[in-house]
Amino acid sequence: GAVVSQHPSRVICKSGTSVKIECRSLDFQATTMFWYRQFPKKSLMLMATSNEGSKATYEQGVEKDKFLINHASLTLSTLTVTSAHPEDSSFYICSAEDRVVNTEAFFGQGTRLTVV
Amino acid sequence: GIQVEQSPPDLILQEGANSTLRCNFSDSVNNLQWFHQNPWGQLINLFYIPSGTKQNGRLSATTVATERYSLLYISSSQTTDSGVYFCAASNSGYALNFGKGTSLLVTP
Repeated sequence: GAVVSQHPSRVICKSGTSVKIECRSLDFQATTMFWYRQFPKKSLMLMATSNEGSKATYEQGVEKDKFLINHASLTLSTLTVTSAHPEDSSFYICSAEDRVVNTEAFFGQGTRLTVV
Repeated sequence: GIQVEQSPPDLILQEGANSTLRCNFSDSVNNLQWFHQNPWGQLINLFYIPSGTKQNGRLSATTVATERYSLLYISSSQTTDSGVYFCAASNSGYALNFGKGTSLLVTP
């Protein structure tokens, strides 16, 4: 299947700093990528839909100024957590679909963010 | 969006036993997937199955789209099968909506 790579896998940052997470589709082009957040022992919740060449679409309750999404190319989407606070600590994971093939979604390895 | 419900929420099995996990969804779908989340958090694709039946080794899945449910079968379970199993569904190119998962523990 298609490969989605996410980096970094783990990051610790200080309160008030910003952290950038990258999501790459390695062997296909993705006009759309999705960003999810997962709290411990909970399910994945969609944060936003990342659209290549246009603004991201955010789910209700997700602060677009805090979670900046950029989809500058057909293989890369980035999520920047700005002015991070301890409550932003979570597991963030991205997905993409090779829609030339079908609608099957593939996920990155995820990023565990800890804000201290 | 599509509502996805999974059952049971927790399951404990003895090694060698068989199990069935269920996923109900609230609307027609063009994507239905089953995942296994490993201890490091990565989602492992098990099946892409918007309809029909598929098998992969000891695992198989069936989706009855007209009745809006999918089943994941695990046969001859092993301790390495432990973890959380997620069902997720979407339609019309939207993002997957996830169920709350089934937490499976297989004991020796």
